[in-house]
Amino acid sequence: EDKVVQSPLSLVVHEGDTVTLNCSYEVTNFRSLLWYKQEKKAPTFLFMLTSSGIEKKSGRLSSILDKKELFSILNITATQTGDSAIYLCAVEAIVMRAQKLVFGQGTRLTINP
Amino acid sequence: KAGVTQTPRYLIKTRGQQVTLSCSPISGHRSVSWYQQTPGQGLQFLFEYFSETQRNKGNFPGRFSGRQFSNSRSEMNVSTLELGDSALYLCASSAWGGSSAQYFGPGTRLLVL
Repeated sequence: EDKVVQSPLSLVVHEGDTVTLNCSYEVTNFRSLLWYKQEKKAPTFLFMLTSSGIEKKSGRLSSILDKKELFSILNITATQTGDSAIYLCAVEAIVMRAQKLVFGQGTRLTINP
Repeated sequence: KAGVTQTPRYLIKTRGQQVTLSCSPISGHRSVSWYQQTPGQGLQFLFEYFSETQRNKGNFPGRFSGRQFSNSRSEMNVSTLELGDSALYLCASSAWGGSSAQYFGPGTRLLVL
């Protein structure tokens, strides 16, 4: 059965700290790995990773994928209170040409001022 | 470009009733996926539609069904509602499904009493 596991489930840090969120997966027919940020309602797209070892960056956020070890990390440097959210990792599998996203449980990140 | 829209945003129903939720994807997107999000189970995939055809389906009972129209708008129907169906229902659109990133709507929060 396809599975995505995120760790930690919850993290509380102080503003300015750097955090690393983890996502490991077991999925057949892997296509890509996606990171989302969910604050109050709908998740918003952060990154899509398809190739191993290539870091994607957006401001203070960066992410990298290791397809050999089946995991990804999301780094946030110089955290701000606005980074407080649930971060979701999802792995895209292709089944009979159809896309299916399998989500992890999420990491609830709290940034204290 | 307008984002994904979902209606209604909030809904209260009683057990045994049925409900229809609507999702309008981003203009030009042809793939619409539906998810159920609950505190206990996280985000779970319901089904994906592309060009009016259901391409993939998650592990939900037959009470959950959907359809997609020629303009890519999609509806999800839940019949014979149960208390456990209370959740945030999210739809996400992507251009082609496959490896294109999904963009989520604001969700419909359904409460079953």
